[in-house]
Amino acid sequence: GENVEQHPSTLSVQEGDSAVIKCTYSDSASNYFPWYKQELGKGPQLIIDIRSNVGEKKDQRIAVTLNKTAKHFSLHITETQPEDSAVYFCAADSNTGGGNKLTFGTGTQLKVEL
Amino acid sequence: EAQVTQNPRYLITVTGKKLTVTCSQNMNHEYMSWYRQDPGLGLRQIYYSMNVEVTDKGDVPEGYKVSRKEKRNFPLILESPSPNQTSLYFCASSFGQGINSPLHFGNGTRLTVT
Repeated sequence: GENVEQHPSTLSVQEGDSAVIKCTYSDSASNYFPWYKQELGKGPQLIIDIRSNVGEKKDQRIAVTLNKTAKHFSLHITETQPEDSAVYFCAADSNTGGGNKLTFGTGTQLKVEL
Repeated sequence: EAQVTQNPRYLITVTGKKLTVTCSQNMNHEYMSWYRQDPGLGLRQIYYSMNVEVTDKGDVPEGYKVSRKEKRNFPLILESPSPNQTSLYFCASSFGQGINSPLHFGNGTRLTVT
């Protein structure tokens, strides 16, 4: 089955700096890669996603890049703000034959310091 | 407001005492799923349901049961809880599976089994 590795597990940046979180996946058939943000005391919430036919997608201060050849994708947050502090999860969606399955990474705790 | 509602938010119980965590969604979603979140392990799928009366095992189903008698409800049942089931649990729902069906998560249930 699919295996998703996520790094780093913790990331601390100064406000205004950029943050990058990286994920690798194992199943070359995976074709959808969402990113979720989990704030303290809440459930994960989708913030951006990318499909396998696209190399990059941007939404204001966040962007995601995908390298299908290398089987890795990354989340980029520019001009970080304190409200960006949260746990971020990457995920990869693959078709298992019995339907699509979303496999999550282990999460990155991002802390934006003033 | 479109949402996934879990109850209770916090639960402390003793080994062997049966418990149920409820999950309800008001978005008419066909797909529902349960995850557990543990430090360093990310989100792991316990069970999922493609539609009413259709359920299937995820990656870590041992010790859990589910039912899907109605489209909106998907309770998680622990018949005989054990300390290794102490975790943060999330219910999620979506229209279907895969690319065009982002998951919507509840706010979680923190379970402690002593």
